Amino acid sequence: DAMVIQNPRYQVTQFGKPVTLSCSQTLNHNVMYWYQQKSSQAPKLLFHYYDKDFNNEADTPDNFQSRRPNTSFCFLDIRSPGLGDAAMYLCATSRDPEGARHFGPGTRLTVT
Amino acid sequence: AQSVTQPDIHITVSEGASLELRCNYSYGATPYLFWYVQSPGQGLQLLLKYFSGDTLVQGIKGFEAEFKRSQSSFNLRKPSVHWSDAAEYFCAVGAHSGYALNFGKGTSLLVTP
Repeated sequence: DAMVIQNPRYQVTQFGKPVTLSCSQTLNHNVMYWYQQKSSQAPKLLFHYYDKDFNNEADTPDNFQSRRPNTSFCFLDIRSPGLGDAAMYLCATSRDPEGARHFGPGTRLTVT
Repeated sequence: AQSVTQPDIHITVSEGASLELRCNYSYGATPYLFWYVQSPGQGLQLLLKYFSGDTLVQGIKGFEAEFKRSQSSFNLRKPSVHWSDAAEYFCAVGAHSGYALNFGKGTSLLVTP
């Protein structure tokens, strides 16, 4: 089945220690998104790629960066995680900007 | 300003009872709309979507939603809920030709025996 895969499902990192979360897709969608979801809150868009074009949301902290080396993969890098960055990170894809977002299962990040 | 409101934070229904989850939006342009469901610790699963055309949309798991432009609403309904429907439900609204998808704050559904 075509899908969005996120690894790892659970990640524990130390305060200030860089961490990378990965996402891959077999849907061959043009657009990939990263969302941050804190407990009992709605997902918040951090950034997205349309093909290789990167778009950062205005309020996404500089601490967060992303890479998309090819159509299938997208990475979220957190350069210096703080306690406030503990959250569920959701990767999503869509065929085009108006398309339904297909979400991965998420990576639960804990910062100690 | 664009916004999505889910007025009910928590809803409890008995198994077998009907369900309606409310979603209201405020958008300058013609929106496109989604309902997603999220089980604890999981990603979001698409239930249904509306772009244009027939305002009554059928989705998976027996859910349907009706787009009412005059009321700026996109309420989700199910005639008979099952215990497995207990989850968090998110309404999301986007503008045509835009990337941003605004999510409501979610409604938590509890199903009692």
